[in-house]
Amino acid sequence: QKEVEQNSGPLSVPEGAIASLNCTYSDRGSQSFFWYRQYSGKSPELIMSIYSNGDKEDGRFTAQLNKASQYVSLLIRDSQPSDSATYLCAVIPSSASKIIFGSGTRLSIRP
Amino acid sequence: DTAVSQTPKYLVTQMGNDKSIKCEQNLGHDTMYWYKQDSKKFLKIMFSYNNKELIINETVPNRFSPKSPDKAHLNLHINSLELGDSAVYFCASSQGEGAGEKLFFGSGTQLSVL
Repeated sequence: QKEVEQNSGPLSVPEGAIASLNCTYSDRGSQSFFWYRQYSGKSPELIMSIYSNGDKEDGRFTAQLNKASQYVSLLIRDSQPSDSATYLCAVIPSSASKIIFGSGTRLSIRP
Repeated sequence: DTAVSQTPKYLVTQMGNDKSIKCEQNLGHDTMYWYKQDSKKFLKIMFSYNNKELIINETVPNRFSPKSPDKAHLNLHINSLELGDSAVYFCASSQGEGAGEKLFFGSGTQLSVL
């Protein structure tokens, strides 16, 4: 089982709709969770971090964490074409002091 | 003002050659990293340095040797390049040493080994 799993997509969402990106992780003791956005041919950039169960909102982005289900998600409201990118889920497992990245979900916002 | 800059952006070379990638950050960060992103987009840490000292050294072939002359620079030298080394290599930096620190990535070096 991979440490951090994401559906590779592509996930196609109409402009203005809510995009929902999901991520599961294997280490139940993981404490820190991140979402990075990576445009094609560019470097990843951090857009959200979450550390406790529940929702965390920042503008159009909401991160959701459910440690019991070992599940973290990212919701993007009012999706824009500029949101089209690959979204990388990242987790710090309890067993390591480094970030483990998922392989990313490619999101495409269609006009 | 580029925060984390790495050169070259593209590197095309033959198998067996030796090549280097340079990285510099002007953020005043203490920790620098090298990550490898393969064709399936997996981003895996290779090395991290804190104030010029090696703190993470993943299971990477000995052909890869990082060098940090000062805390603002972390270069990556690769000996005897192999086809499987083809990937995008990202340099990154963070303020502290902790894994939870926000990572600032360079623009990447696309390495193609022919």
